[in-house]
Amino acid sequence: AQSVTQLGSHVSVSEGALVLLRCNYSSSVPPYLFWYVQYPNQGLQLLLKYTTGATLVKGINGFEAEFKKSETSFHLTKPSAHMSDAAEYFCAVTGGTAGGGNKLTFGTGTQLKVEL
Amino acid sequence: EPEVTQTPSHQVTQMGQEVILRCVPISNHLYFYWYRQILGQKVEFLVSFYNNEISEKSEIFDDQFSVERPDGSNFTLKIRSTKLEDSAMYFCASRAGGGRETQYFGPGTRLLVL
Repeated sequence: AQSVTQLGSHVSVSEGALVLLRCNYSSSVPPYLFWYVQYPNQGLQLLLKYTTGATLVKGINGFEAEFKKSETSFHLTKPSAHMSDAAEYFCAVTGGTAGGGNKLTFGTGTQLKVEL
Repeated sequence: EPEVTQTPSHQVTQMGQEVILRCVPISNHLYFYWYRQILGQKVEFLVSFYNNEISEKSEIFDDQFSVERPDGSNFTLKIRSTKLEDSAMYFCASRAGGGRETQYFGPGTRLLVL
């Protein structure tokens, strides 16, 4: 079984500041980890994913995340926030090759607000 | 770029009525999913579908729900007798398979049960 915890349901940063959105996971098998973004009234768009290999993964729009097995974390970062980054961000986990149908288990989401 | 499409974008129905939500997954994808998101809550898995049968379903997916792939392109979710608590955004997703793990989501159908 898998679960995801996202600390901070709301995060507010100034434009140009570092963005850090936290995600911790629990998985009984080696996980595959994902970050999705949801803009208002839209669907879920994949930002980045970790499956195997390099633990620092880069995604779209300048975001990146690092898989840390020892900390069971997959935090999302961006060096400099833009107004257009304001959205809700979801971390998700699936059970990798052992996951069968590979259902995604989502965290509760973090609403990112970017202020001038 | 190929994308998952869903119709309708919004649906309003009366409690007890049947609704069918439609999805067109990405062509040549093999795995299909339905998720839902109740307003203000997290996205929850409902069901996964592969090779014309359900591969996994959640506790939410009770006898009121069914899925079907009636032809080579559509993937539908039917709610037989809607309840107020079925009001949510329903997302369809598809995955290629063969080691490609990314699920691609449609824009969702917002269902309101009155």
